[in-house]
Amino acid sequence: DTGVSQNPRHKITKRGQNVTFRCDPISEHNRLYWYRQTLGQGPEFLTYFQNEAQLEKSGLLSDRFSAERPKGSFSTLEIQRTEQGDSAMYLCASSPRPGGSYEQYFGPGTRLTVT
Amino acid sequence: QKEVEQDPGPLSVPEGAIVSLNCTYSNSAFQYFMWYRQYSRKGPELLMYTYSSGNKEDGRFTAQVDKSSKYISLFIRDSQPSDSATYLCAMSAQGGSEKLVFGKGTKLTVNP
Repeated sequence: DTGVSQNPRHKITKRGQNVTFRCDPISEHNRLYWYRQTLGQGPEFLTYFQNEAQLEKSGLLSDRFSAERPKGSFSTLEIQRTEQGDSAMYLCASSPRPGGSYEQYFGPGTRLTVT
Repeated sequence: QKEVEQDPGPLSVPEGAIVSLNCTYSNSAFQYFMWYRQYSRKGPELLMYTYSSGNKEDGRFTAQVDKSSKYISLFIRDSQPSDSATYLCAMSAQGGSEKLVFGKGTKLTVNP
């Protein structure tokens, strides 16, 4: 499968715990995006990387959220001290930009439930 | 006012009907327009991608962009029960992050 993959697919955690999600983009896609989707809403932008550089993180909801893409391949999104309001679907997308077309391809998402 | 407005529906049609889905937007910087299909508890799947104004056709799907009216549409011909899903419009501006701004999605049910 050459699409975007995300792990785990579902995470249940207790309030106050830290969680980390992983995204593997389409091979050779330079850009990697993280979005968050709550029930009944469209995805909302969190942050993006071009290769290993995090170029915008205006959508990260608080300093409890952080993301990395250390070698310009896979990325991780970490949420520290989780709160019930963090329950959502976390989506990763990749794009061949810059230089390539503008389409973004999404992974299956990680559904987070904070109890 | 949100940057992208989309009627959430729900929309219910009989099999074989022509479906029209629409979004309006307020940011004149948007240049790239996409439609995604999302099945329940799955990630969005890219259906159509259009640059600037005009029409694009792919099989049973036609995407239209009218930048003068800030209005985009997706038409589905000969709708099938397998088309039942939530349809999300998304758009981005050129330059910078080119992050996608989404509508809320329209939930479509095609009844056999």
